[in-house]
Amino acid sequence: ETGVTQTPRHLVMGMTNKKSLKCEQHLGHNAMYWYKQSAKKPLELMFVYNFKEQTENNSVPSRFSPECPNSSHLFLHLHTLQPEDSALYLCASSLGSGGVYKETQYFGPGTRLLVL
Amino acid sequence: GDSVTQMEGPVTLSEEAFLTINCTYTATGYPSLFWYVQYPGEGLQLLLKATKADDKGSNKGFEATYRKETTSFHLEKGSVQVSDSAVYFCALRVGIQGAQKLVFGQGTRLTINP
Repeated sequence: ETGVTQTPRHLVMGMTNKKSLKCEQHLGHNAMYWYKQSAKKPLELMFVYNFKEQTENNSVPSRFSPECPNSSHLFLHLHTLQPEDSALYLCASSLGSGGVYKETQYFGPGTRLLVL
Repeated sequence: GDSVTQMEGPVTLSEEAFLTINCTYTATGYPSLFWYVQYPGEGLQLLLKATKADDKGSNKGFEATYRKETTSFHLEKGSVQVSDSAVYFCALRVGIQGAQKLVFGQGTRLTINP
């Protein structure tokens, strides 16, 4: 049971394609996050949004473009990706205004991306 | 910078064995500490957390104590089950309020054999 959903669960795309990943949270949270999980590497934080404003961009290449139209939805637009971008992309959400004792992040199941 | 170092995996144990997965951290200030678990084909689930020194987080038979003096947050379980097979991530949270960054260790894959 999860309050954070991600679509699609699996995606195969060529290097010239444009695709988008979608994340939706049903927890009433205000902060949303994108992480990248590659094999044998720690999870890497990519972007953070709080109350629809981007508060963190962790030196992510411009071929990844996030969008947060409201506090419940987060997108990751992909274009001209490279094979090394193949990974599991995880979305998470948190309260965003709860202070240090309440800011637990809840994760979605992820989108498994393969770039050919 | 802030970082988390976890015990190298994979770890393979028999059912009912005692489990320890080591985690140490480097951080400025007073981070909160977490263990997340990732079952096959799923996202990360929060397993337990501790927000200040000497706190003990516990859930589903797992425990971890926030040790400031040794900068550690080792995960333990007295008797593991096959269903505990998963990847375990230690993480610390930096920031005081609002949206905050989680810094993860590399993960430890645990396999429990019947």
